[in-house]
Amino acid sequence: NAGVTQTPKFQVLKTGQSMTLQCAQDMNHEYMSWYRQDPGMGLRLIHYSVGAGITDQGEVPNGYNVSRSTTEDFPLRLLSAAPSQTSVYFCASSYHGGATGTQYFGPGTRLTVL
Amino acid sequence: DAKTTQPNSMESNEEEPVHLPCNHSTISGTDYIHWYRQLPSQGPEYVIHGLTSNVNNRMASLAIAEDRKSSTLILHRATLRDAAVYYCILRDDRDSWGKLQFGAGTQVVVTP
Repeated sequence: NAGVTQTPKFQVLKTGQSMTLQCAQDMNHEYMSWYRQDPGMGLRLIHYSVGAGITDQGEVPNGYNVSRSTTEDFPLRLLSAAPSQTSVYFCASSYHGGATGTQYFGPGTRLTVL
Repeated sequence: DAKTTQPNSMESNEEEPVHLPCNHSTISGTDYIHWYRQLPSQGPEYVIHGLTSNVNNRMASLAIAEDRKSSTLILHRATLRDAAVYYCILRDDRDSWGKLQFGAGTQVVVTP
């Protein structure tokens, strides 16, 4: 299994540009999520999904859109990039929810917005 | 949501045990105690979790106080590869999603 994969690894955008961060998992996990991590801080939840066609907002959803058309993929779209969105983005998946579902994280995408 | 308190950093010598404390005085009866760690330039990875009893796995041990207001992650013999940020997180079993709320964690430094 490749686990959770993310592309690209690095990206530089100009203010106002849009882009999509890709996330895929091959573990047949129902639960997927996106986090961002700013320097020296813990991760914060952006959006999550409990299955294909079902998404919900996390702690910091503004400026981001998600959709989940398949079990495997959960892309994150930046509609109009801003310097405040400069961060490292992590995608995660888990087989089930609840308090015991282990989350598996991807390697991250480092995004810089100029 | 119940919160956790961890020291900012801890140092250890290689091949010695590391005891990482976590305080969670407002823990509820449905909160599980989870530990994740994040190696440099990588995503977090699961370490261990428990509810009331002490737990062991190949990576670490988790000791939970009888009143559950604190816990300790024990790395039995630290290696250089254990240098990472360790996060103590409470997950409420009433939450069907079981979201992870990360704090700042404890930076563990391992010296040869």
